[in-house]
Amino acid sequence: NAGVMQNPRHLVRRRGQEARLRCSPVKGHSHVYWYRQLPEEGLKFMVYLQKENIIDESGMPKERFSAEFPKEGPSILRIQQVVRGDSAAYFCASSPGTGGLNEQFFGPGTRLTVL
Amino acid sequence: GDSVTQMEGPVTLSEEAFLTINCTYTATGYPSLFWYVQYPGEGLQLLLKATKADDKGSNKGFEATYRKETTSFHLEKGSVQVSDSAVYFCAPHPGEKSSGDKLTFGTGTRLAVRP
Repeated sequence: NAGVMQNPRHLVRRRGQEARLRCSPVKGHSHVYWYRQLPEEGLKFMVYLQKENIIDESGMPKERFSAEFPKEGPSILRIQQVVRGDSAAYFCASSPGTGGLNEQFFGPGTRLTVL
Repeated sequence: GDSVTQMEGPVTLSEEAFLTINCTYTATGYPSLFWYVQYPGEGLQLLLKATKADDKGSNKGFEATYRKETTSFHLEKGSVQVSDSAVYFCAPHPGEKSSGDKLTFGTGTRLAVRP
């Protein structure tokens, strides 16, 4: 009974490199959310996706960040030209769908360190 | 938009002490309310929830009552254990009529329980 899977768990990048974070939702879940947790802070919503669609990206920085959730395969959060301020834990959550109270199930997170 | 104010941590208690972590929220509409817990190095887990006024959510000895009149959802436990050491997050959920399910988290309250 697999929960939300995220990989890698830890990612180290140098400034200017690209970071790709992957999230496999709970089997059967069609909704994915990405959150960012900066050191000693709470989680901040970034983006909400359904299969092949971005529903709400109001929390995504306008530049360098992108997300996708293709028909097949995991959701990907991509950060281009990383900077030190991108160092954070990135959490993915999934839910079965909207309508009613849909609990979000969280993955263990990817901890990104930018050197 | 929705917002959450949580009691600042860290909270340090001795084992078997009584715990209260305050949470107040502002939200449009009629949100459901969640408490999530984050153990060291892990993602968030749903601890308990309440979906309407005066509902009491409970789990693992923790309780919280949805107080619409004071817009509060304080977390309590009568006798904490060392294993309860974690960060606790209060989060309103926008509810059934919302167009999205993104959660708004407080900054989190770190609890440390001494043996």
